[in-house]
Amino acid sequence: QQQVKQSPQSLIVQKGGISIINCAYENTAFDYFPWYQQFPGKGPALLIAIRPDVSEKKEGRFTISFNKSAKQFSLHIMDSQPGDSATYFCADGDPNTDKLIFGTGTRLQVFP
Amino acid sequence: DSGVTQTPKHLITATGQRVTLRCSPRSGDLSVYWYQQSLDQGLQFLIQYYNGEERAKGNILERFSAQQFPDLHSELNLSSLELGDSALYFCASSVGAGGPHEQYFGPGTRLTVT
Repeated sequence: QQQVKQSPQSLIVQKGGISIINCAYENTAFDYFPWYQQFPGKGPALLIAIRPDVSEKKEGRFTISFNKSAKQFSLHIMDSQPGDSATYFCADGDPNTDKLIFGTGTRLQVFP
Repeated sequence: DSGVTQTPKHLITATGQRVTLRCSPRSGDLSVYWYQQSLDQGLQFLIQYYNGEERAKGNILERFSAQQFPDLHSELNLSSLELGDSALYFCASSVGAGGPHEQYFGPGTRLTVT
């Protein structure tokens, strides 16, 4: 069973701070690494995604850093806001089946 | 709003029963995926259909089945329900298959088996 190890399980950040969530994958064949944001009672929403041919991708306050040799990637949320409080999931895209293998999730709480 | 719709939003049923969950993908999307989200197992891929054909299977129980119809909507059938089947069931859709495509999730169906 392929795994994606996500950490930390929960994160508390003050408004304006930087939130950092890390993921590690096993299969080097994976070629797509999205991050999803999920609010209570809602479905996961695609936040940002990266392919392994780049080391970093930035969209607004959200940045993915990708380290292919270490098989790790992380999500950085700059200037974290209370509205960012949600659960974040990393995932790996299996190129053979299209399925996403999800991490266990990180519950982020941003306090004003 | 992702453009993926799922019905019903909530479903409460008894053990041993059978239910059908419905999903309509985003306009233009040919692939439909089903995922199960539970507290102990997290988000798990169940099955994928592409343009009416089954493309990939994950950890889907034999009591569960799915299909995708010519209008591309999909249904997930859960039978002989057990307490452990209580979970959130999400449908996602993407444009195509055979490569990294962005998957957009619906709002989910919360299934409670009593």
